Amino acid sequence: GAGVSQTPSNKVTEKGKYVELRCDPISGHTALYWYRQSLGQGPEFLIYFQGTGAADDSGLPNDRFFAVRPEGSVSTLKIQRTERGDSAVYLCASSHGGTELYNEQFFGPGTRLTVL
Amino acid sequence: AQSVTQPDIHITVSEGASLELRCNYSYGATPYLFWYVQSPGQGLQLLLKYFSGDTLVQGIKGFEAEFKRSQSSFNLRKPSVHWSDAAEYFCAVGSYIPTFGRGTSLIVHP
Repeated sequence: GAGVSQTPSNKVTEKGKYVELRCDPISGHTALYWYRQSLGQGPEFLIYFQGTGAADDSGLPNDRFFAVRPEGSVSTLKIQRTERGDSAVYLCASSHGGTELYNEQFFGPGTRLTVL
Repeated sequence: AQSVTQPDIHITVSEGASLELRCNYSYGATPYLFWYVQSPGQGLQLLLKYFSGDTLVQGIKGFEAEFKRSQSSFNLRKPSVHWSDAAEYFCAVGSYIPTFGRGTSLIVHP
């Protein structure tokens, strides 16, 4: 398929550990977004990339969270010193990133992170 | 700041019945409004969007929504619900970074 893919689909880790979550956007999409969805809530914005650079990282909750997109395609969300409150589904989306104010975002299935 | 309220956490309807999911928003200017659907294990899928123009918006899967500026609402409707419509529905407001509501879970009884 040509949709957004995320790996792993599930990740269980222990408090204090480091985790990496990967997102493969739709080929050719220059914009990439990360969201966090806690149980019973809607997605909350974390960070937005246009190409290789983070155009807006205002949603990252603290400096334990970091994301990269070194070649303008695949992105990795990195969480250091995980806490139980980090448990959530992490969603990735991509869009073609044109100059219009709005570009439809296509979402991946998410990575469910559980911190024990 | 922009925000979205979806007052109903769960809605239960019988198959074939009509559906209306409520959404109220707060936004400083003319809003960009969206409805998304999320099925278990699936990514969010855009049902419809409103930017300007006709306040009645048609979307995929037989859904429609009506923008009412005076009520700050953007309710989602479907005239006849199918069992496959059971899912979580999210209203969102914003432009390139939407703010989502907490969602409404739709349960469909046969």
